[in-house]
Amino acid sequence: AQSVAQPEDQVNVAEGNPLTVKCTYSVSGNPYLFWYVQYPNRGLQFLLKYITGDNLVKGSYGFEAEFNKSQTSFHLKKPSALVSDSALYFCAVREPGGGNKLTFGTGTQLKVEL
Amino acid sequence: DTAVSQTPKYLVTQMGNDKSIKCEQNLGHDTMYWYKQDSKKFLKIMFSYNNKELIINETVPNRFSPKSPDKAHLNLHINSLELGDSAVYFCASSQFPHEQFFGPGTRLTVL
Repeated sequence: AQSVAQPEDQVNVAEGNPLTVKCTYSVSGNPYLFWYVQYPNRGLQFLLKYITGDNLVKGSYGFEAEFNKSQTSFHLKKPSALVSDSALYFCAVREPGGGNKLTFGTGTQLKVEL
Repeated sequence: DTAVSQTPKYLVTQMGNDKSIKCEQNLGHDTMYWYKQDSKKFLKIMFSYNNKELIINETVPNRFSPKSPDKAHLNLHINSLELGDSAVYFCASSQFPHEQFFGPGTRLTVL
């Protein structure tokens, strides 16, 4: 069965510093991987995805993620964090041939401070 | 234009009541979903419909019944509400195999 782990409940970073939110996955075969962001009292917003192709994926709001097959990781990164990036971030995985079922990680709260 | 909309946004009700949540998407997607987000923010899929056909039905109590009258609508009916049903329920849609678009959520509180 597919699964996703986000090992950090919270990540704190100073504004202007680079940020990384970690995600590892477990699937049979090649995964489809996604990052979503949730602001307070809002629905989830899609940030970026990896289906195939380049391992470095660029997404919305300056975020990017690197797919690493050997480490089964898909970490979310941003070169320079903004206070407005503070939110809850979810990594998700779907197995190829697994229909539409998306399995989410437990979420990582990102706090960017001045 | 709202892509995925849900009504109501808030729902407060007594134990034992029956309630429904409605979802509509105007993106032309072929697949719709219901998710439950608990108080710890854990997100879990409940159901998925593709072209009005149920394709995902997770281990959800049979008090929960989804209904899809057409491709653009997916409603969730809950019978005999229990305290443990209190959560935020999200509707989503996608054009398989692409990313899912989420609605704003319905916060259900069972007293």
